[in-house]
Amino acid sequence: GQQVMQIPQYQHVQEGEDFTTYCNSSTTLSNIQWYKQRPGGHPVFLIQLVKSGEVKKQKRLTFQFGEAKKNSSLHITATQTTDVGTYFCAAGTGGGNKLTFGTGTQLKVEL
Amino acid sequence: SQTIHQWPATLVQPVGSPLSLECTVEGTSNPNLYWYRQAAGRGLQLLFYSVGIGQISSEVPQNLSASRPQDRQFILSSKKLLLSDSGFYLCAFQTGRNTEAFFGQGTRLTVV
Repeated sequence: GQQVMQIPQYQHVQEGEDFTTYCNSSTTLSNIQWYKQRPGGHPVFLIQLVKSGEVKKQKRLTFQFGEAKKNSSLHITATQTTDVGTYFCAAGTGGGNKLTFGTGTQLKVEL
Repeated sequence: SQTIHQWPATLVQPVGSPLSLECTVEGTSNPNLYWYRQAAGRGLQLLFYSVGIGQISSEVPQNLSASRPQDRQFILSSKKLLLSDSGFYLCAFQTGRNTEAFFGQGTRLTVV
């Protein structure tokens, strides 16, 4: 069945360093969403990408959807301690378009 | 505005006891509803999803079940809990296909 994989699983960075997480699907996606889950919290929607090759920015966060619509990335420039958490990509899969989440990337930022 | 309520926030249950977690949505009709489970430090495992009353799809064979007795109510149940059922349970809804998902606060279940 549909699988959405993310790498890396964990990432430790020093504050001010950049961070990137990658999301890969075995099939073509109609769209992809990104969520952030703070420690102890619930996932919160960040953005949705729909078009092939689409790039969207939110302050220090840059989201990209691959040309083949099978992969996506989230890049954070100059990380801050407030960026700590787990970042998930998600996509609608299957006939019912159920929302399936990637495996997540846990980001830790050290001072 | 659209809101989602999930309770309880934490729960400690003995092995073999029953379980009932409830989730309700306000401010929208006919939402897509989801139950996910998250082990500590791990990803979101889709357990059940529903596109309408009485329409439940199960993703993972297990001793859990879900029901949708009303349009905006989603219940996760078990007749006999196992130790492996411990985890963080999250309810979520979408207002339609390919829309953002809104999550409840989650229930942290510990089976002892």
